[in-house]
Amino acid sequence: DAGVIQSPRHEVTEMGQEVTLRCKPISGHDYLFWYRQTMMRGLELLIYFNNNVPIDDSGMPEDRFSAKMPNASFSTLKIQPSEPRDSAVYFCASSFGGSETQYFGPGTRLLVL
Amino acid sequence: EDQVTQSPEALRLQEGESSSLNCSYTVSGLRGLFWYRQDPGKGPEFLFTLYSAGEEKEKERLKATLTKKESFLHITAPKPEDSATYLCAANPSGSARQLTFGSGTQLTVLP
Repeated sequence: DAGVIQSPRHEVTEMGQEVTLRCKPISGHDYLFWYRQTMMRGLELLIYFNNNVPIDDSGMPEDRFSAKMPNASFSTLKIQPSEPRDSAVYFCASSFGGSETQYFGPGTRLLVL
Repeated sequence: EDQVTQSPEALRLQEGESSSLNCSYTVSGLRGLFWYRQDPGKGPEFLFTLYSAGEEKEKERLKATLTKKESFLHITAPKPEDSATYLCAANPSGSARQLTFGSGTQLTVLP
């Protein structure tokens, strides 16, 4: 299996622009997680889905962030409008129902100027 | 509040010099304790899951152990390729699938 796939790997944008990050989970996995990693705060869970349904979005920092999972093989995390403090590495992870083990993608490094 | 604390923040070892990394957790019940390895510019790579006090798991030069308050990652005769950041995470019993991560230990093994 190819593992969790994320795109783009790097994104540089200007403050106020919309940013869309994409994730393809491992085939057969029914849980999908979005994390943000910064030096100051480490790895933080933003939101997670089960069977394409958002279960807990309490980690989403504010209304500028939204996430969707239209089908079992695709999810997006959108930031609109973006701000410099959103600069971080965003990871997607997936797991299947029989295990709590999460498998991470390579991440998207976002820089908002 | 659930909390995971890792120490030390950074560790430099000579090749072959064994040591241990510590992960202390304060959570409302523990469903699982996870160790991950993260290389620069990459996502965390799963290493181990521990479920109950006294449990041990091994993989090559790494051995993870678990007590009721903390977990240790023992590294025996490390090699330069073991250099990475090691993250631990706790899955509290009341949190379904959420993992609470520690801030990591950055390990450097010098040849």
